[in-house]
Amino acid sequence: AQSVSQHNHHVILSEAASLELGCNYSYGGTVNLFWYVQYPGQHLQLLLKYFSGDPLVKGIKGFEAEFIKSKFSFNLRKPSVQWSDTAEYFCAVNALGNAGNMLTFGGGTRLMVKP
Amino acid sequence: DTGVSQNPRHKITKRGQNVTFRCDPISEHNRLYWYRQTLGQGPEFLTYFQNEAQLEKSRLLSDRFSAERPKGSFSTLEIQRTEQGDSAMYLCASSLETGGAFFGQGTRLTVV
Repeated sequence: AQSVSQHNHHVILSEAASLELGCNYSYGGTVNLFWYVQYPGQHLQLLLKYFSGDPLVKGIKGFEAEFIKSKFSFNLRKPSVQWSDTAEYFCAVNALGNAGNMLTFGGGTRLMVKP
Repeated sequence: DTGVSQNPRHKITKRGQNVTFRCDPISEHNRLYWYRQTLGQGPEFLTYFQNEAQLEKSRLLSDRFSAERPKGSFSTLEIQRTEQGDSAMYLCASSLETGGAFFGQGTRLTVV
């Protein structure tokens, strides 16, 4: 069974700082990869996804992620964070062949951006 | 709002009672999923439907948990004889056969 690790549980940044959140997964086969964001009091929202093709994926709100197959990683980046990016971020993996599009989530990274 | 809708948003129940949650997916989505999320953790997959067929239920936490999607539209998740350890956020999501899943606001269950 696959697993997903998010090594940073809490990150505190000042506005305009650059962001990189780590995500590693364990699964040897083909995967689809996702980042979800959960703003305070809101539901999980899809930030970006990777299925195939260009390993650098651009999502909403200036976020991007890079799939590095050799490192089993899918790190999330943003060049300059804003206070409104304060949220919890979840990396998720769907191993092709698993139940439907069943997602395995990491434990989440709570990001706080100081104004 | 045409997103995934879950009811109720909050449920407080006494230990030993049965509870049922409802999920209305995005109308054109044929896949529906239930997840559970506890504090400080990511969502954990429970079960999924393709149309009315429940194609994966081995991840349901015990035989006290059951789910239905009788007409391939809305779904219900029932927990019988609730225990304090069942306290969590129960999330519903829906998707097409390809693409990402869209999540509802969740139902927060507290068992006292």
